[in-house]
Amino acid sequence: GQQLNQSPQSMFIQEGEDVSMNCTSSSIFNTWLWYKQDPGEGPVLLIALYKAGELTSNGRLTAQFGITRKDSFLNISASIPSDVGIYFCAGQNTDKLIFGTGTRLQVFP
Amino acid sequence: DGGITQSPKYLFRKEGQNVTLSCEQNLNHDAMYWYRQDPGQGLRLIYYSQIVNDFQKGDIAEGYSVSREKKESFPLTVTSAQKNPTAFYLCASSARYEQFFGPGTRLTVL
Repeated sequence: GQQLNQSPQSMFIQEGEDVSMNCTSSSIFNTWLWYKQDPGEGPVLLIALYKAGELTSNGRLTAQFGITRKDSFLNISASIPSDVGIYFCAGQNTDKLIFGTGTRLQVFP
Repeated sequence: DGGITQSPKYLFRKEGQNVTLSCEQNLNHDAMYWYRQDPGQGLRLIYYSQIVNDFQKGDIAEGYSVSREKKESFPLTVTSAQKNPTAFYLCASSARYEQFFGPGTRLTVL
């Protein structure tokens, strides 16, 4: 099955730094979603995007739906230790979601 | 409390045995999904159901079976035909595009 290309694969940053990650696809999507997964838990929905060019924030998180509808970006500002986890993007264009390969974020104090 | 429950959290089975994983939701969502996640990997779709008494195969349905007799419930059976069943299994439900996940069941086949 198709999986989206997500980069970077992993990030090691210091507390307080900003983080950027992105997701690209060869297919057009109608909806982009961003999830965070803690170890041993189910993914939690962070942000949902519905229109090309849309920019949406959720606290320190900001995500954008790319103009081409083939990509999306997630930024985390002023990272804190609890931001540690795996971040997944997901795109939807039929009745299913296609998930990215994940970005593993490690935050050091 | 509205949400999705999966039980048990950890499950151990002997090779060759079928095992059924439970998934219940009280969000009144029509659609439900089962995913498999292997270490360091993304989510792969096993089966999904958009309405009661109907379901479709996902990308890796071989060796799995499901039923959807009630809106709230979507159990997954891992059969002995599944060659490598040890994994983390996630159930999700959705009303529209946004899927909400349960806490997952870690299945280990010995």
